[in-house]
Amino acid sequence: KQEVTQIPAALSVPEGENLVLNCSFTDSAIYNLQWFRQDPGKGLTSLLLIQSSQREQTSGRLNASLDKSSGRSTLYIAASQPGDSATYLCAVNGADGLTFGKGTHLIIQP
Amino acid sequence: KAGVTQTPRYLIKTRGQQVTLSCSPISGHRSVSWYQQTPGQGLQFLFEYFSETQRNKGNFPGRFSGRQFSNSRSEMNVSTLELGDSALYLCASSQTGTRNTEAFFGQGTRLTVV
Repeated sequence: KQEVTQIPAALSVPEGENLVLNCSFTDSAIYNLQWFRQDPGKGLTSLLLIQSSQREQTSGRLNASLDKSSGRSTLYIAASQPGDSATYLCAVNGADGLTFGKGTHLIIQP
Repeated sequence: KAGVTQTPRYLIKTRGQQVTLSCSPISGHRSVSWYQQTPGQGLQFLFEYFSETQRNKGNFPGRFSGRQFSNSRSEMNVSTLELGDSALYLCASSQTGTRNTEAFFGQGTRLTVV
């Protein structure tokens, strides 16, 4: 059974810092990996999708990498802003559909 | 292009009642999946429908059921509600039957069981 772990569970940093959020998974037989953002009480917004054959994807200030063989992904946020405050979820898409980590709760202090 | 639409957004029910939640996927998307999100368990997969057929099912009791219509809209039903069913229920749609497509989520239905 796929298990997804996200570290750290929570992070609070001043505005402007560059951040790295970590995601690890136990079964490397995946189709893709998605990073999502969730604001309190809201649905999930897709940030980046990395196919299993890819190593990284970039969108604006966000960069996600995937090392399928070691079961790891990182989400890099450059020049963080208060509007980046949210919970970031990593999800791996495998035979059992999407399996989510518990998320990283991020607070960017103005 | 409209996103994934879930109705209703909020719902309050009494223990023992049943409830039906609705999800309209993005136009052209044929796969709909349902998830339950609680503070303790996080996001857990309920089931997935593709072309009106249940393709995958998570580890939830039989009180949780779903269906998909020919227009890809999906409904989820929970019977004999329990207090522990209080959660945010999220629906996701994706374009094709293959597994490597991006999932898009709705805003969710917040169910409170009292």
